[in-house]
Amino acid sequence: QVTLRESGPALVKPTQTLTLTCTFSGFSLTTPRMCVTWIRQPPGKALEWLARIHWNDDKYYSASLNTRLTISKDTSRNQVVLTVTNMGPVDTATYYCARVPTPEPRGEADYWGQGILVTVSS
Amino acid sequence: QSVLTQPPSVSAAPGQKVTISCSGSSSNIGSNDVSWYQQLPGTAPKLLIYENNKRPPWTPDRFSASKSGTSATLGITGLQTGDEGDYYCGTWDRSLSVWVFGGGTKLTVL
Repeated sequence: QVTLRESGPALVKPTQTLTLTCTFSGFSLTTPRMCVTWIRQPPGKALEWLARIHWNDDKYYSASLNTRLTISKDTSRNQVVLTVTNMGPVDTATYYCARVPTPEPRGEADYWGQGILVTVSS
Repeated sequence: QSVLTQPPSVSAAPGQKVTISCSGSSSNIGSNDVSWYQQLPGTAPKLLIYENNKRPPWTPDRFSASKSGTSATLGITGLQTGDEGDYYCGTWDRSLSVWVFGGGTKLTVL
């Protein structure tokens, strides 16, 4: 049974760095072609893809946010961590992590976490 | 402005059929597989369709999808009030080396 759960602060101040952890079970990031991705959704708005990490440690980032994002994995703990630097009010969103069982040409996210709402406010 | 273009909203009566389009380009839909996601109010998105037209075990066969060239289409038959929510298409863009989503389509079952 595949599960993912996001954890981190619910509230951050402007200019702070956000660190989110995705803890998963039911699969391993050492399996060839396995990936984990982060996606966010501002309140009332569309999904926005942020980053993806592959089983072989390849990493891909949103073009508009790549200077502020870092994704990493700890395969021994079944965790993927996303950091977002210099948070601002526009970064207020629900952040989701999801499993990607195989990258392109497919790349679908088949299991998602419940999401964590992060609010940026002083 | 999303890389993939979806209609903002569609609506139909219970029991009827509806289609949702997703338009892209040769660097995304034209090159890679499309997946579709359903997001019911207050819940996380859920995979509905992958690899253009395949259904995961949890997706009823009322949902179908296709891809042609640089466009994709999601179809829902036998509409139910429980289908109301937002639907997103997504694929990889090989020119940008990023995953892209459509702007989402809000389905209303009248």
